[in-house]
Amino acid sequence: SQQGEEDPQALSIQEGENATMNCSYKTSINNLQWYRQNSGRGLVHLILIRSNEREKHSGRLRVTLDTSKKSSSLLITASRAADTASYFCATDDGSWGKLQFGAGTQVVVTP
Amino acid sequence: DSGVTQTPKHLITATGQRVTLRCSPRSGDLSVYWYQQSLDQGLQFLIQYYNGEERAKGNILERFSAQQFPDLHSELNLSSLELGDSALYFCASSVDRTNEKLFFGSGTQLSVL
Repeated sequence: SQQGEEDPQALSIQEGENATMNCSYKTSINNLQWYRQNSGRGLVHLILIRSNEREKHSGRLRVTLDTSKKSSSLLITASRAADTASYFCATDDGSWGKLQFGAGTQVVVTP
Repeated sequence: DSGVTQTPKHLITATGQRVTLRCSPRSGDLSVYWYQQSLDQGLQFLIQYYNGEERAKGNILERFSAQQFPDLHSELNLSSLELGDSALYFCASSVDRTNEKLFFGSGTQLSVL
């Protein structure tokens, strides 16, 4: 079963625009992570936000977390064609192995 | 390059057969995770090992088994294969048991014909 649900399922934007995707989850978490997957390749960790944090930045990435609404958002600013990928949120409740991935948002950035 | 090595990259086999997927974690990482990714099920957690011991099981079928060896490499064994087992199988590793920041291999694409 999947804990996180991303929205939208797919997103198409032009280079230079911002891309925003959301993740909702159901149970309490220790942290929430975002990963990127280029077509058919392994996932790459992007950023981790802990349950006691509200916002975090890493380069062109901004993540917010609202534990009261059980939701998170990932913003990619000034997108580039190289940002074309699927983006997954993953929730961690701190238990062994319990890193649960959502279904992902497929982002296409056109030049 | 994540530092996690998976072999083989592609595997084509027939129903009823048995295959072994191999994973070498990043140097120093103690946790190894196996995930299955398919179009209909998404990314499903199968099993986690930490320093040679099984620590968590997810949606792993009884036909599937895994182990982590003393040198920390891991193998995922899939037997009595069915068409529905066709998927991309990922191994990931992390430095400790906290599930924070997993490093994924490139995956093994399994096709069961």
